[in-house]
Amino acid sequence: GAGVSQSPRYKVAKRGQDVALRCDPISGHVSLFWYQQALGQGPEFLTYFQNEAQLDKSGLPSDRFFAERPEGSVSTLKIQRTQQEDSAVYLCASSLGASQKNTEAFFGQGTRLTVV
Amino acid sequence: QKEVEQNSGPLSVPEGAIASLNCTYSDRGSQSFFWYRQYSGKSPELIMSIYSNGDKEDGRFTAQLNKASQYVSLLIRDSQPSDSATYLCAVNRPQGAQKLVFGQGTRLTINP
Repeated sequence: GAGVSQSPRYKVAKRGQDVALRCDPISGHVSLFWYQQALGQGPEFLTYFQNEAQLDKSGLPSDRFFAERPEGSVSTLKIQRTQQEDSAVYLCASSLGASQKNTEAFFGQGTRLTVV
Repeated sequence: QKEVEQNSGPLSVPEGAIASLNCTYSDRGSQSFFWYRQYSGKSPELIMSIYSNGDKEDGRFTAQLNKASQYVSLLIRDSQPSDSATYLCAVNRPQGAQKLVFGQGTRLTINP
């Protein structure tokens, strides 16, 4: 497709359940970001991939959060043993590359996760 | 100190006036600067990028960058009700590992 695609759009999980969120970036985009956005706040950086390499995971809030991009295209964000504080919108963005003018990042529609 | 700071607003501007949105950042190594618009319940949409000091105009939007003052702004001329949204400032450092960092956003309301 032409844009960044995320699935599912909505996910309701029971506390303690594991979830997997998928991101399909724009074809050919080298860089991929995951963000967490709470209501009324800006997106908070979680992690960054350049192709299949996870170059920065400093924003992952705990070891329950894990992200991968094994073939340098589709990425999955996995949250184990979900807690209520994990409820948020999870946004994925991709950009063409790492040189200055290729860093314009485009977002998917997001996945709204609700932990009950 | 947050890496990117914005006044959360709300900022209320009459229709047809100029809306001015401001942002400061702390990392002097930042080289790429972006403004995103986010409507309620939607994902952020890129509206402007700027990389060099000075002004960059695109239609009714003008981005201004002052690296010495670590300051970025967005002007919206002839504001329309459809401009009512949250505006997010984002800053990136392209060397090595990128870290596109966002401010908390400024909520803008254009009053007819």
